[in-house]
Amino acid sequence: NAGVTQTPKFRILKIGQSMTLQCAQDMNHNYMYWYRQDPGMGLKLIYYSVGAGITDKGEVPNGYNVSRSTTEDFPLRLELAAPSQTSVYFCASSHGGMNTEAFFGQGTRLTVV
Amino acid sequence: ELKVEQNPLFLSMQEGKNYTIYCNYSTTSDRLYWYRQDPGKSLESLFVLLSNGAVKQEGRLMASLDTKARLSTLHITAAVHDLSATYFCAVDPLSNFGNEKLTFGTGTRLTIIP
Repeated sequence: NAGVTQTPKFRILKIGQSMTLQCAQDMNHNYMYWYRQDPGMGLKLIYYSVGAGITDKGEVPNGYNVSRSTTEDFPLRLELAAPSQTSVYFCASSHGGMNTEAFFGQGTRLTVV
Repeated sequence: ELKVEQNPLFLSMQEGKNYTIYCNYSTTSDRLYWYRQDPGKSLESLFVLLSNGAVKQEGRLMASLDTKARLSTLHITAAVHDLSATYFCAVDPLSNFGNEKLTFGTGTRLTIIP
């Protein structure tokens, strides 16, 4: 029973490098989300998706891109890494509809130097 | 824009005491969630509150929802050290149906002192 799986768990990037954070869920959830959590802070929504082929911006989308080609996968792309993107990234999924209880992955700790 | 505010932001309490964390939100909603996060870990779902007057209890934690006051509370009874964590509430506005996304509060960092 994997739930939401994120890879990698840790990553150090140099300024200007690119990378993709992977997220997969096996619960057949329609909704998937990417959040970032800065130290000592709450979660801010980066992007979300309500189904395959449909994505939308959240509160802090600048510097990121997403795609949703399948129900299971929702990768987050950083094109030109900046120090301000140092954070912990959480992927989550939910069924949607009247109960949007979200289930979270273990997080990816990203440092940009 | 939906705003979700929690207070207090930090709470130190002695074992055995009772306390309440408050979650206020700025728009109509009857869908509110409580999560727990241990240091360096992911978020774990605690309670799902889906109607006015909903009350859920698990062990020493009890959550309630008053949609008219736009307020949820998380009550801790006879605190024990294992409850030390950061607690988040999250809200999904009614207007979002078909486009759901959760907005999280800032979190309450709870420390239980022996």
